[in-house]
Amino acid sequence: DAGVTQSPTHLIKTRGQQVTLRCSPKSGHDTVSWYQQALGQGPQFIFQYYEEEERQRGNFPDRFSGHQFPNYSSELNVNALLLGDSALYLCASSFSGDRANYGYTFGSGTRLTVV
Amino acid sequence: LAKTTQPISMDSYEGQEVNITCSHNNIATNDYITWYQQFPSQGPRFIIQGYKTKVTNEVASLFIPADRKSSTLSLPRVSLSDTAVYYCLVGDPGRYALNFGKGTSLLVTP
Repeated sequence: DAGVTQSPTHLIKTRGQQVTLRCSPKSGHDTVSWYQQALGQGPQFIFQYYEEEERQRGNFPDRFSGHQFPNYSSELNVNALLLGDSALYLCASSFSGDRANYGYTFGSGTRLTVV
Repeated sequence: LAKTTQPISMDSYEGQEVNITCSHNNIATNDYITWYQQFPSQGPRFIIQGYKTKVTNEVASLFIPADRKSSTLSLPRVSLSDTAVYYCLVGDPGRYALNFGKGTSLLVTP
């Protein structure tokens, strides 16, 4: 049973460019969340998608946007990249009906380097 | 959101029991306590979750006192492969965002 799959695993972009990261949730999961993890820090919540809508958003600028598709997969888009956007971007999936269990399944992330 | 405080780092030898304590003085009634483990260049992995008293699974135990203002993750007989960052999270399962702090970096040596 595949877990959460993220692509690509590594990416190098230039300042000002745009990037799209992709995530396929674990089988049976219908909710996708995105996190940014800078070096030496804990993951920071960007936003969560459910039923193809953004359900909650963390403290990130509008340059960060997302999308969820009917098959529950998701994309994270970042426009006008800054050096400070360099980080590990993590996707986490969960099942909306599983409210008592707070256990999300995370992917291995996409390492984004902005130069 | 409940603020959590845990040690920045801990060291242990193989075979020892490791206890990592997390303080969460302003925990709310609906909040659960959840611990995640993260290896370098990987996503966090769910370890254990509890609401009160003691919870045990095949990986760890979680001890929560009656006032719920702290919790202790106990890892029995650690091995080198338990070297990782451990995060204590406190939150309402009805909320959507996981609130990670900086975690505790555990180093296990021979």
